[in-house]
Amino acid sequence: DTEVTQTPKHLVMGMTNKKSLKCEQHMGHRAMYWYKQKAKKPPELMFVYSYEKLSINESVPSRFSPECPNSSLLNLHLHALQPEDSALYLCASSFINSPLHFGNGTRLTVT
Amino acid sequence: GIQVEQSPPDLILQEGANSTLRCNFSDSVNNLQWFHQNPWGQLINLFYIPSGTKQNGRLSATTVATERYSLLYISSSQTTDSGVYFCAVERGDMRFGAGTRLTVKP
Repeated sequence: DTEVTQTPKHLVMGMTNKKSLKCEQHMGHRAMYWYKQKAKKPPELMFVYSYEKLSINESVPSRFSPECPNSSLLNLHLHALQPEDSALYLCASSFINSPLHFGNGTRLTVT
Repeated sequence: GIQVEQSPPDLILQEGANSTLRCNFSDSVNNLQWFHQNPWGQLINLFYIPSGTKQNGRLSATTVATERYSLLYISSSQTTDSGVYFCAVERGDMRFGAGTRLTVKP
């Protein structure tokens, strides 16, 4: 079992849909992350929130929109995605300068 | 940006064998972590090891920050050790190496 919970586990969406990925942790971590992982590749950093403020945005296209409503929640809003955006989306959290804890991810397929 | 290189890219072992995985990085880092990704995609943090040596059961890791490398040792390997091992370094943000894909055969 993971202490970082991601929903949904699987998502299939069309290119005109709007959907959201959700991530929740109750470990008191103040840093939360979104990573994207394509098959047989390492995770790639997308966004970092530190103390609920966006601190890193790795030049991600605007069709991905992160949101951190509070210290326990992290959302990733998806709109007008392309088939090449199909991937495993991983959420992680940590204390500052501490081990990263990952959720089980959301497998996204864009049709 | 910082470069992270892992070797070997692929490794096949017989159950019970020992192995050493290497991570080289191109610049000084604030911290270094080792992860195991199982065949179902779950990423597990094995070690947070910016420097020094740590051990956890059959696994141990050593980071020599001044020489910019880290080693992960797996002893008496088991089939459940199969998966991809990633090294990740932090210098402003967390960057992953390409990983070592380990297959342990019974």
